[in-house]
Amino acid sequence: AQSVTQLGSHVSVSEGALVLLRCNYSSSVPPYLFWYVQYPNQGLQLLLKYTSAATLVKGINGFEAEFKKSETSFHLTKPSAHMSDAAEYFCAVSGQGGYSTLTFGKGTMLLVSP
Amino acid sequence: KAGVTQTPRYLIKTRGQQVTLSCSPISGHRSVSWYQQTPGQGLQFLFEYFSETQRNKGNFPGRFSGRQFSNSRSEMNVSTLELGDSALYLCASSVDSGGDEQYFGPGTRLTVT
Repeated sequence: AQSVTQLGSHVSVSEGALVLLRCNYSSSVPPYLFWYVQYPNQGLQLLLKYTSAATLVKGINGFEAEFKKSETSFHLTKPSAHMSDAAEYFCAVSGQGGYSTLTFGKGTMLLVSP
Repeated sequence: KAGVTQTPRYLIKTRGQQVTLSCSPISGHRSVSWYQQTPGQGLQFLFEYFSETQRNKGNFPGRFSGRQFSNSRSEMNVSTLELGDSALYLCASSVDSGGDEQYFGPGTRLTVT
C-alpha cells in the first residue's frame, strides 16, 4: 500500500523567506507524486506533478519539488514566500494498481508573516 | 475550458436522511473520483468511476454509493446520514487513469445535524 508522510502540520515563515514543506512517501511501485494547495473554502489546486521525466519539477506560482528516490522524498520549495502563499499544502501519491487514486498526506498549513 | 463543477456547494441535512451530490467533470475527462475531507481523517478516497463503471473503491460503508452517466457526469449518494458524515466532499476529474493528474472541484460542504 502507498502512504505519504508530511512533516509538520504547521510551518511559519516570514515574507521573502525560503519555503520548505517536507513530504516522504512509501510505494511498492514507481510512484506518481503530486503537490496540491487548498485555500480556505476551496477545492484543491494542482501545483506540480512528478512522473519520472525529471527529478526536479517546476510548478505554478514559483514552486518546485525535487524527487529523491534514495530518500523517498518529494519536498516542496519556493525561494521567496509571498503573503498569498498562505494556505494548506497536500502531498499525494498515486499509481498503485494502475489507478489514479490519490493517497494524501495529512497536510501542512503554511503561515506567512509580514 | 470550464473546470470541475459541483452542486450544491452547501447542504444541511438531518441524521437519517439521504443526500445526493453532483459533479460535472472537465470536458473530455472520462474519470471521476470522489474524496471526503474531514479535520480528523483528512482526505480519504471514496470511489472512482470511468466510462460509467466503478473502477476503484475506498474503505467506506455501503451507505456511500455513486454512479457515472454516459456524459461522464457523476453523482454520489449517502443514505441514512450520520453526524460523522459531515465533511467536505470533493470531486476530481482526469482524462484517464494510471497517473493522470486529477483536477478538483470546489467541493460540497455537507453538515448533518
